[in-house]
Amino acid sequence: KQEVTQIPAALSVPEGENLVLNCSFTDSAIYNLQWFRQDPGKGLTSLLLIQSSQREQTSGRLNASLDKSSGRSTLYIAASQPGDSATYLCAVDLGSGSARQLTFGSGTQLTVLP
Amino acid sequence: DVKVTQSSRYLVKRTGEKVFLECVQDMDHENMFWYRQDPGLGLRLIYFSYDVKMKEKGDIPEGYSVSREKKERFSLILESASTNQTSMYLCASRGGWAGAQPQHFGDGTRLSIL
Repeated sequence: KQEVTQIPAALSVPEGENLVLNCSFTDSAIYNLQWFRQDPGKGLTSLLLIQSSQREQTSGRLNASLDKSSGRSTLYIAASQPGDSATYLCAVDLGSGSARQLTFGSGTQLTVLP
Repeated sequence: DVKVTQSSRYLVKRTGEKVFLECVQDMDHENMFWYRQDPGLGLRLIYFSYDVKMKEKGDIPEGYSVSREKKERFSLILESASTNQTSMYLCASRGGWAGAQPQHFGDGTRLSIL
């Protein structure tokens, strides 16, 4: 059974720092990997999706990388801002069946201090 | 932009009541999902649907049922609500059969069963 782990569970950084969030998964036969952001009491916002054939995806100050063979993904946030404070979740898609299902990590709660 | 709308942000019901949670998406997506999110347990898939009138059990379907009579609407039903179903419920949708598309989430319904 696929397991997804995110370490650390919480992270606090001063504004302006570059930071890396980590995601690891046990089954490397994934179809894609998705990073989400969740603000308190809200739903999830999709940030980036990396297909299994890709190594990285970029959107603005965010860059996500994928290393399938080692079962790892990282989300790099450049020049962090207080507005980046949220919980970040990664989810892997095993790509089996007619409707892909995601397996989620437990998230990293990020606080960016002004 | 994809919009997934959940009918209620907050809902309070009593033990034994039949509860309906509604979700509507506006992007003609084939796939729709219901999750619950609990502290320490993360997001867990309850049911999903890959087409009208089609449904599949997720990881924790016990005590729940679903209905998909129209493509844009996916309903979650708690047949006889119990206190252990107090949780945050999240609906998501995704387009296409190939799977390489992100899931889009609603804002969630925080359900309390008294």
